[in-house]
Amino acid sequence: KNEVEQSPQNLTAQEGEFITINCSYSVGISALHWLQQHPGGGIVSLFMLSSGKKKHGRLIATINIQEKHSSLHITASHPRDSAVYICAAASGAGSYQLTFGKGTKLSVIP
Amino acid sequence: DAGITQSPRYKITETGRQVTLMCHQTWSHSYMFWYRQDLGHGLRLIYYSAAADITDKGEVPDGYVVSRSKTENFPLTLESATRSQTSVYFCASSGGALPGEQYFGPGTRLTVT
Repeated sequence: KNEVEQSPQNLTAQEGEFITINCSYSVGISALHWLQQHPGGGIVSLFMLSSGKKKHGRLIATINIQEKHSSLHITASHPRDSAVYICAAASGAGSYQLTFGKGTKLSVIP
Repeated sequence: DAGITQSPRYKITETGRQVTLMCHQTWSHSYMFWYRQDLGHGLRLIYYSAAADITDKGEVPDGYVVSRSKTENFPLTLESATRSQTSVYFCASSGGALPGEQYFGPGTRLTVT
């Protein structure tokens, strides 16, 4: 069973700061997902990646397959980025079984 | 409504009662999933389905039953609810020949008293 660890658990940042959230996993995977869960509870998929780097607006996700590690970066953070960020590792036949990290709660202060 | 919906959004039930949580998606996605989210555990997969009439167990299937007679619907039934099944339940779907990015429903908060 894949073990997915995220760090930090909680993160408070000033508006405008560069933020990094880390995710490590124990077993080789087919893809790594980054999700965002807002205070209201809704979950949105941010990225799915299996190698390299992806960018969407101020969000950047990277993955190092050899080191079994992924990072989510937020540039020029804003209070609306406040949410819980969850990484999930896809393993098993067909890549549909996700093992989730426990999430990183981000608070961005104006 | 377009997208993925869940009903009810909130439910309180008593121990021993049968409860069905509904999930409906309008994209004709092949893959559908049920997760539960609990403090200290994060999200965990209960059951998934690769297509109509094809379902399989996830990490925590005990006490739950699913069916998928139509592509767009994936109901989750708690046959005899227990307090340990108090949780927030999320349904998700994913399209393509292999599952990729998952689209989550708004969640159902279930309390078993």
